[in-house]
Order: sequence, then structure tokens, then C-alpha cells
Amino acid sequence: EVQLVESGGGLVQPGGSLRLSCAASGFTFSSYWMSWVRQAPGKGLEWVATIKQDGNEKYYVDSVKGRFTISRDNAKYSLSLQMDSLRAEDTAVYYCSRGSSWHVEYWGQGTLVTVSS
Amino acid sequence: DVVMTQSPLSLSVSLGQPASISCRSSQSLVYSDGNTYLIWFQQRPGQSPRRLIYKVSDRDSGVPDRFSGSGSGTDFTLKISRVEAEDVGIYYCMQGTHWPPTFGQGTKVEIK
Repeated sequence: EVQLVESGGGLVQPGGSLRLSCAASGFTFSSYWMSWVRQAPGKGLEWVATIKQDGNEKYYVDSVKGRFTISRDNAKYSLSLQMDSLRAEDTAVYYCSRGSSWHVEYWGQGTLVTVSS
Repeated sequence: DVVMTQSPLSLSVSLGQPASISCRSSQSLVYSDGNTYLIWFQQRPGQSPRRLIYKVSDRDSGVPDRFSGSGSGTDFTLKISRVEAEDVGIYYCMQGTHWPPTFGQGTKVEIK
């Protein structure tokens, strides 16, 4: 069974940093693109970033480019999202998902990030 | 960015009745490989999204056959042939053809 478990969310001040992690299991992690998608409270879905199987290709939505960094550790079945220079508008539930934009399939339960003073 | 427009934004349906959700894109979603990367997700209250349909009309494993997807180019539809209580939630279309991937606003389905 595919499982994606996010962690690392919490309350952070504007301008601060946070690192999200996603522990994957139930599939061969190194065979799949992985992505982060977020959902502001009571709002719709927004794609954040995507990383290729070997980590050599990374794509970001413009609103986070230069502030967020997606990475992965295939040996540890782990996906990460380093978030710097956080803004109030980054407040959202962040979902780890298996797949690229073409084939996004499984989603984790999400971790809440709140950016507020 | 490609704009995805869903309608209606809210739908109240009697149990056992059909429901239909439209999704229109601001550009063609046909990719250079010939595929159309249009996905439908269901998000039940308090849950994460679940993929129902991919590449316009391919149903995911475990998804009841009362769900079907259709369409082409810029115009797509999700149909529920007979709504059941467990279908309550918000439905999103998403395009994965163009970067960045973008979602529709969501359609809230409730039971009348």
C-alpha cells in the first residue's frame, strides 16, 4: 500500500524558514517523480514543486521560485521541501504527492504551515 | 498560466440522480505526445484529494464505474451516473499538460 506521511509543519513568523519532510513507503520511491501541492485554508489547490526520479530536474511555480527548494533522498525514501523567506500567503496545508504533473496520483494527509506574527 | 474554469461551483443532487461537472481550459490540453493530461480529483470533507480520472477518461483502480470522464481539447466533463451519499465533497479538475499545472476552483457536491 502506498503511503506518504508529511511532517514538519507548524507556526513560523514572516521571513522565517521551515523544512517539510515526506516519508514514502509501499512503492519503489526512486522510480517516481514526486511533487508538493498546497491548499490554503478553505481554498483550492496550488501546485508548488516537482522533482524528477534522480533529483536532477526540479520545477517550481513562480510564486515560490527562489524561496523554496525541493529535494529527495532515494536511499531514505524521503522527499523534502525547504521553505525560506516565508510569507503570510504561504499559509496552507502542504501535500506530498507521487507523480509529476502528468501523472500525479497518491497524496499524503498533509501538514499545516501557518505563517503569522 | 492555463486557467481552468469549472461549473457549476456548487451542486445539490438527490440520491440516485445524475450529476455533471464541466471544466474548461484557456488553452488546448493536448500535449506533444498526443495525450491530454486532464485529471479529476475528489476531496471528501477533512480528507486529502483522491484521483478519480486521469488522461480525460481513464478511471483509477477502485473508483466506482458510476464516475466517468469525457471531453477533448479545452472542454471536459465529469459525470456521476447515480449520486451516492459517499460522493459528497469537492471535485477538482487539473491540467498537467502545461507548466505550471493548474486546478479548477472546485465544485462542491452535496445531497439535496
